[in-house]
Amino acid sequence: GQNIDQPTEMTATEGAIVQINCTYQTSGFNGLFWYQQHAGEAPTFLSYNVLDGLEEKGRFSSFLSRSKGYSYLLLKELQMKDSASYLCAVMDSNYQLIWGAGTKLIIKP
Amino acid sequence: GAVVSQHPSRVICKSGTSVKIECRSLDFQATTMFWYRQFPKQSLMLMATSNEGSKATYEQGVEKDKFLINHASLTLSTLTVTSAHPEDSSFYICSASMVLAKNIQYFGAGTRLSVL
Repeated sequence: GQNIDQPTEMTATEGAIVQINCTYQTSGFNGLFWYQQHAGEAPTFLSYNVLDGLEEKGRFSSFLSRSKGYSYLLLKELQMKDSASYLCAVMDSNYQLIWGAGTKLIIKP
Repeated sequence: GAVVSQHPSRVICKSGTSVKIECRSLDFQATTMFWYRQFPKQSLMLMATSNEGSKATYEQGVEKDKFLINHASLTLSTLTVTSAHPEDSSFYICSASMVLAKNIQYFGAGTRLSVL
């Protein structure tokens, strides 16, 4: 079956760096997405990786290794507003998005 | 760019009534629109995928007669929850993908449905 694994919850300190990991097993691969979702709101698009390597976008970076079925989202200079759930999703060979359960990130002052 | 508008943001209704939720892509033409349901502290559950001018494709276990989807144009899709019951109470979210960037889904703000 298809599976996306990411930690349920993580805690980090304001100003620090945090890495949220995601491993996946899917039938085919057409890209990996990271979305941010604040409580009670819809997800917002953060990043899209289809080739191996690191994609940097401001304070957020996303890494992909297709051979290892692994990705991470790196958040630098954490701010209180970064407290949210971070969803990892993989697009399979049918162009269907398979969603992880999300990682709740708690930022402490 | 890539703004998706979803309306209404919140609905409270009596059991047995029907509720219509609209999803519009404001500044792009959406090849495909998606309807999701999300329960508290759970991930997104895809309900159906709709392409403009054709019938929606429903996921297994989703009743097509219960959740009617109409995708009348490249910028508008609607989800109607017919004869809503308390168990239909949930957070419904739509998303849309662009013609030229079909892999990325942009989400509406979501609709919180509470059926009394």
